[in-house]
Amino acid sequence: DAGVTQSPTHLIKTRGQQVTLRCSPKSGHDTVSWYQQALGQGPQFIFQYYEEEERQRGNFPDRFSGHQFPNYSSELNVNALLLGDSALYLCASSFVAGGQQFFGPGTRLTVL
Amino acid sequence: GNSVTQMEGPVTLSEEAFLTINCTYTATGYPSLFWYVQYPGEGLQLLLKATKADDKGSNKGFEATYRKETTSFHLEKGSVQVSDSAVYFCALLKGGSQGAQKLVFGQGTRLTINP
Repeated sequence: DAGVTQSPTHLIKTRGQQVTLRCSPKSGHDTVSWYQQALGQGPQFIFQYYEEEERQRGNFPDRFSGHQFPNYSSELNVNALLLGDSALYLCASSFVAGGQQFFGPGTRLTVL
Repeated sequence: GNSVTQMEGPVTLSEEAFLTINCTYTATGYPSLFWYVQYPGEGLQLLLKATKADDKGSNKGFEATYRKETTSFHLEKGSVQVSDSAVYFCALLKGGSQGAQKLVFGQGTRLTINP
């Protein structure tokens, strides 16, 4: 039984560029949440997707957007990248919105 | 608002020492509480959880008790091993709109165990 998978593992971009990160949930899960973890900090909630809709959003600007597909996989898009967007981006999946969240290994984004 | 505060690290102990990592929270209502562990280069793994007051979560020798009176969820282990070296995060689960729930994390505590 595959757990939560994320791609790519690492990514290097320059300021102003756009990036797309991908997440496949654990088998049987229908809800995906995204978190940003800056170096030395705890993860911060970005948003949660359920039934292909954004159900809740954290305190992140509109440059951060997402999508959930019919197979429950999800994408996180960040436009107009800033140096401060450099972080580990974690995807977590659960069965329904309030279920236990299982985390993927993350995507390390570096913005130069 | 909802927040979690952990004791600042890093924490360095010798093998077989007793471990306590303090965690206190601020929240409306009675959130579920969690401890997650992050090993180097990896994502977060759930270590233990408690869903209501006085519940004790336990796993791999670690324990934490949900204390409503002191709004605390301190992590303890009686005898640590080198393999316990990692970053530990305390978190609460907060409900929101449309049934969505998000985890609110503390800043993490880096633990190093020396042989």
